[in-house]
Amino acid sequence: EVQMVESGGGLVQPGGSLRLSCAASGFTVSTNYMNWVRQAPGKGLEWVSVIYGGGTTYYSDSVKGRFTISRDNSKNTVYLQMNSLRTEDTAVYYCTRRPFFDLWGRGTLVTVSS
Amino acid sequence: DIQMTQSPSTLSASVGDRVTITCRASQSISSWLAWYQQKPGKAPKLLIYKASSLESGVPSRFSGSGSGTEFTLTISSLQPDDFATYYCQQYHTYATFGQGTKVEIK
Repeated sequence: EVQMVESGGGLVQPGGSLRLSCAASGFTVSTNYMNWVRQAPGKGLEWVSVIYGGGTTYYSDSVKGRFTISRDNSKNTVYLQMNSLRTEDTAVYYCTRRPFFDLWGRGTLVTVSS
Repeated sequence: DIQMTQSPSTLSASVGDRVTITCRASQSISSWLAWYQQKPGKAPKLLIYKASSLESGVPSRFSGSGSGTEFTLTISSLQPDDFATYYCQQYHTYATFGQGTKVEIK
């Protein structure tokens, strides 16, 4: 079955760090554009980051310098390292693939609060 | 950065109505546009890609059109399962979503 499963979310204090994982099955992450998209409570969708097949990465201005996307081809898994977290980073984080997002995980909730 | 503007923000309609949602890009994105449907507590679902290509398994009452900076999503005959929030997304340069259109029961 083709799917992605996110994990690693939770409650963290402002200024803290968290690493999200996205484990894929049924396809190969290294040959796809892999993205993270987030959705704050009651708000719309916001693209966060992408890692291309060749390894090039890009970030939204709101997370640039604080978040890092990476992947482990041997585990077929994509990661999002989130540092210097702010309350406005509170959201459900989704893993998606391709430039148009045909497959989504269920998401993992990140709550940044003191 | 490319900005995406959807209208309306909310749309009240009845079962059987023809519904049209508009999305405007701040610069030309050719046909690099997708549409999604999202229901509460669920991940978005891809409906349309490349402005007018219907994703496999999506009912034919959904259609997309446009190119450049102006795009539309049309639901030809609204069904009970279609009450949801709809988003457009450009993928010409990274990705940007519109702010969403909530389709609610009239």
